[in-house]
Amino acid sequence: KQEVTQIPAALSVPEGENLVLNCSFTDSAIYNLQWFRQDPGKGLTSLLLIQSSQREQTSGRLNASLDKSSGRSTLYIAASQPGDSATYLCAACTSGTYKYIFGTGTRLKVLA
Amino acid sequence: NAGVTQTPKFQVLKTGQSMTLQCAQDMNHEYMSWYRQDPGMGLRLIHYSVGAGITDQGEVPNGYNVSRSTTEDFPLRLLSAAPSQTSVYFCASSYDSRSYEQYFGPGTRLTVT
Repeated sequence: KQEVTQIPAALSVPEGENLVLNCSFTDSAIYNLQWFRQDPGKGLTSLLLIQSSQREQTSGRLNASLDKSSGRSTLYIAASQPGDSATYLCAACTSGTYKYIFGTGTRLKVLA
Repeated sequence: NAGVTQTPKFQVLKTGQSMTLQCAQDMNHEYMSWYRQDPGMGLRLIHYSVGAGITDQGEVPNGYNVSRSTTEDFPLRLLSAAPSQTSVYFCASSYDSRSYEQYFGPGTRLTVT
């Protein structure tokens, strides 16, 4: 059974710092892994989707990598800003299913 | 495009009552899904659909029913509400779950007393 873990649960950094959020999954047979952002009281916004055949995806200051052999994905945020403060979630779609399994998220606070 | 819409935004039910949470999308997406989000537990998949007329269970389906008569709509029915169903419910859609990103609705906050 697929399990997805995100550590740390919360992170506080000063503005301008580069940071890495971690996502681990137990079953490496996945179709894709997706990163989301959630603001308080809001729905989820898709940030990046990495297909199983890809190693990384980039969008602006965000870069997500995928290492299936080790069961890990990282989301790199460059030059963090207070507007980046939110909860970041990852989700894996396991091969042979149509189901996404979510991690519990990392709550990020960027201090001005 | 309106994207994924959900109604109502808030709802309070008494134990034993039934209700339907509405979800609609105007992007012609085949895949639609329902999640619940509880503190400390992340999002858990309740039911999903890969196209009109096709639905299947997720991780936590008990106490919920779904149907998919059209591509656009995917309602979630609570048969007999229980306090354990107090949660925030999200609907999501995508062209398919394996290759395309999911789009989420704004959520319905449900309280069962």
